[in-house]
Amino acid sequence: DTEVTQTPKHLVMGMTNKKSLKCEQHMGHRAMYWYKQKAKKPPELMFVYSYEKLSINESVPSRFSPECPNSSLLNLHLHALQPEDSALYLCASSHLLGVGNTEAFFGQGTRLTVV
Amino acid sequence: ILNVEQSPQSLHVQEGDSTNFTCSFPSSNFYALHWYRWETAKSPEALFVMTLNGDEKKKGRISATLNTKEGYSYLYIKGSQPEDSATYLCAFIWGFNKFYFGSGTKLNVKP
Repeated sequence: DTEVTQTPKHLVMGMTNKKSLKCEQHMGHRAMYWYKQKAKKPPELMFVYSYEKLSINESVPSRFSPECPNSSLLNLHLHALQPEDSALYLCASSHLLGVGNTEAFFGQGTRLTVV
Repeated sequence: ILNVEQSPQSLHVQEGDSTNFTCSFPSSNFYALHWYRWETAKSPEALFVMTLNGDEKKKGRISATLNTKEGYSYLYIKGSQPEDSATYLCAFIWGFNKFYFGSGTKLNVKP
């Protein structure tokens, strides 16, 4: 199984809502990532978890709250988002073998619209 | 934030044409360079993981080269087919698995 599964595929939420994005992989990967992609821009790294601990936070606003409850699951909790947070949110995972020696596997993304 | 640039932004070719695109990245503190292929409504998929200067990798009609001293990688597609239509992303890996992506080259192959 080489899949990274993200749910939901699409999400529309109001600025006062609380919602969560979910990501799951069963490849035994111990690194998991959240990326944000706006139209015609490259994916931007938000968070990296390694061995279920947050190792990188790229100065992401606190209205985005990641969580890694176990080695297969990664969540992104959303609260009080702004319309400019509308984007495609991609989850990825990889083995932790050296730096960059192994490919990342991506989900299809969650298309988020904040109204 | 590191600057990773890809060119061209988009490319339209006829079936059977060969084509190539460029990824430019910082030449200092190199760890690895990845190429990904991203078809519409699908997940990005890894094509190549390149770690050594002078690396050349090949998968079918697609190949890639790496020059870490001057900070560039080329991706070549020989005899493009319509199913090659996709966005091709390069990712410069720096530090602890921090991926910096280029904005991609969108390839459209016309039958």
